[in-house]
Amino acid sequence: EDKVVQSPLSLVVHEGDTVTLNCSYEVTNFRSLLWYKQEKKAPTFLFMLTSSGIEKKSGRLSSILDKKELFSILNITATQTGDSAVYLCAVRNQFYFGTGTSLTVIP
Amino acid sequence: DAGVIQSPRHEVTEMGQEVTLRCKPISGHNSLFWYRQTMMRGLELLIYFNNNVPIDDSGMPEDRFSAKMPNASFSTLKIQPSEPRDSAVYFCASSPADSRYYEQYFGPGTRLTVT
Repeated sequence: EDKVVQSPLSLVVHEGDTVTLNCSYEVTNFRSLLWYKQEKKAPTFLFMLTSSGIEKKSGRLSSILDKKELFSILNITATQTGDSAVYLCAVRNQFYFGTGTSLTVIP
Repeated sequence: DAGVIQSPRHEVTEMGQEVTLRCKPISGHNSLFWYRQTMMRGLELLIYFNNNVPIDDSGMPEDRFSAKMPNASFSTLKIQPSEPRDSAVYFCASSPADSRYYEQYFGPGTRLTVT
């Protein structure tokens, strides 16, 4: 059965901390892995990863994929309160979503 | 661009009533997706269309749910009859092409409450 598992389920950190969010998957016909940020509304796209070992970076956020071990990590450095959200991982072929990691950044 | 447009934003209805949710994808996008999100089950793909044709509806929970895309700029998701367990946020998303490699852009969602 195809599945996407994210960990931890929730995380509380202080501003300035660095966090690592994990996404492991087992899906047939893997095409790509996507990370989304969801605040109180719709998910917004962060990264799409298709190749192992190539880091995608956007400001304080970065992500990397390991297709051999079937996981991805999302790193956020120097966290800010605006980073508080649920971070969702999704795997295509069929857009299976994990249940997300709820990140709370406290001042 | 206005982004993906969904209506209504909120819907409250009684059990047994028909509910129709609407979506206008981003102009030029070829793929359209309907999702349902609940606390218990997270974000679930219900159905997706490519070039107005349903490609995979395996996520549609049962026959009470149906979706159509009569043209490239409009899609509906219908629930008939609705039940309390259908209460959820329903998202529509669109993607630039039928490529497995493109990200999706989500609409603001419709919050459905069935009493």
